[in-house]
Amino acid sequence: GAVVSQHPSRVICKSGTSVKIECRSLDFQATTMFWYRQFPKQSLMLMATSNEGSKATYEQGVEKDKFLINHASLTLSTLTVTSAHPEDSSFYICSASAGNSPLHFGNGTRLTVT
Amino acid sequence: AQSVTQPDIHITVSEGASLELRCNYSYGATPYLFWYVQSPGQGLQLLLKYFSGDTLVQGIKGFEAEFKRSQSSFNLRKPSVHWSDAAEYFCAVGERGNKLVFGAGTILRVKS
Repeated sequence: GAVVSQHPSRVICKSGTSVKIECRSLDFQATTMFWYRQFPKQSLMLMATSNEGSKATYEQGVEKDKFLINHASLTLSTLTVTSAHPEDSSFYICSASAGNSPLHFGNGTRLTVT
Repeated sequence: AQSVTQPDIHITVSEGASLELRCNYSYGATPYLFWYVQSPGQGLQLLLKYFSGDTLVQGIKGFEAEFKRSQSSFNLRKPSVHWSDAAEYFCAVGERGNKLVFGAGTILRVKS
């Protein structure tokens, strides 16, 4: 079946540095990818929607200059957390779809900012 | 606006007992409904989905869900729970290939 790979699975970084998270669709072309954030004991909250070759659409309250999303190809989207702070520590999950097919989720990235 | 309510934060059932996880939604049009399962520190796995047609949907791992439009509900059921079913379950509503709105999740504990 369709697989979405997310890397890294865990990352620890110092406050003020930037972290890049990759989301790849392994056996299908993902026209749309979604980035979610999940705080401990909470549900997933959509951060942004990215379509290949165009700018991402951010949800209300999500800083686009802080969370940079690039969807340069049909199989890869990246989320860069710039100038990370401890409050950015969270579980980030990507999902991908091809047209009207159901979403497939990556296994998530646990970000810890010290 | 779309919203999903999962009234139960935690549920504990005995192994072998039946399970029902509740989900109510608010959606302006005909909803596309999903149930996902998440193990600790992992991503989400799709259990089942409803787009149209038969309102009783069969999924993986022996799960099923029933769409009841009159009650705006999409409850997840399993006749006999296994210890490996312990996880967090999320109900979601949205477009088939579009962004989803998730409920708060229900943590299932299975006691032997």
